[in-house]
Amino acid sequence: GAVVSQHPSRVICKSGTSVKIECRSLDFQATTMFWYRQFPKKSLMLMATSNEGSKATYEQGVEKDKFLINHASLTLSTLTVTSAHPEDSSFYICSARGLTGRDEQYFGPGTRLTVT
Amino acid sequence: AQSVAQPEDQVNVAEGNPLTVKCTYSVSGNPYLFWYVQYPNRGLQFLLKYITGDNLVKGSYGFEAEFNKSQTSFHLKKPSALVSDSALYFCAVRDMRTGRRALTFGSGTRLQVQP
Repeated sequence: GAVVSQHPSRVICKSGTSVKIECRSLDFQATTMFWYRQFPKKSLMLMATSNEGSKATYEQGVEKDKFLINHASLTLSTLTVTSAHPEDSSFYICSARGLTGRDEQYFGPGTRLTVT
Repeated sequence: AQSVAQPEDQVNVAEGNPLTVKCTYSVSGNPYLFWYVQYPNRGLQFLLKYITGDNLVKGSYGFEAEFNKSQTSFHLKKPSALVSDSALYFCAVRDMRTGRRALTFGSGTRLQVQP
């Protein structure tokens, strides 16, 4: 149980285009989803926290107009990188926290974004 | 503010030997502590957590970690390393006092187990 999927696993896009990444909790309802960004050989940096049906809370320094987050249902959150630039190239990982109140977060497999 | 330190970028150990991956934390309240493992181009897999209770926590794949409040440490251990344990390991903390749900991660430690 507690499986989180991400789609796509890899995406290459041209500079200036937008890319949407989906994060789904497959067998549980996720009240809260988190979006992280991981640079090569670096730790995970929290970008934003999203709660179903409400606006995401962004970490300091993360542009909310550039990284649009939508958490429309208890099983789906999307991250849209708008007007992507090469410096947005990174590994994006989502995690989900369920309704049970247990403190574990379940991580998706990540999405490798390359902006050319 | 909560923080996690993993002082070693890389740990090398021979197969069959015990391994330790170090982690220290800083929180203002009681910590929830976690260890995750990451294989190349993959997401994070949960290994174990400490919330309350016994200071020695047993987790997946034979790993365990010991919570030491006085030293503010939560080192990951395994009695006998396997080559397949080679991966990137992250320690993470959540400060219960702040109510903040997100985890703060350490910088990661790459474990290399040599055959």
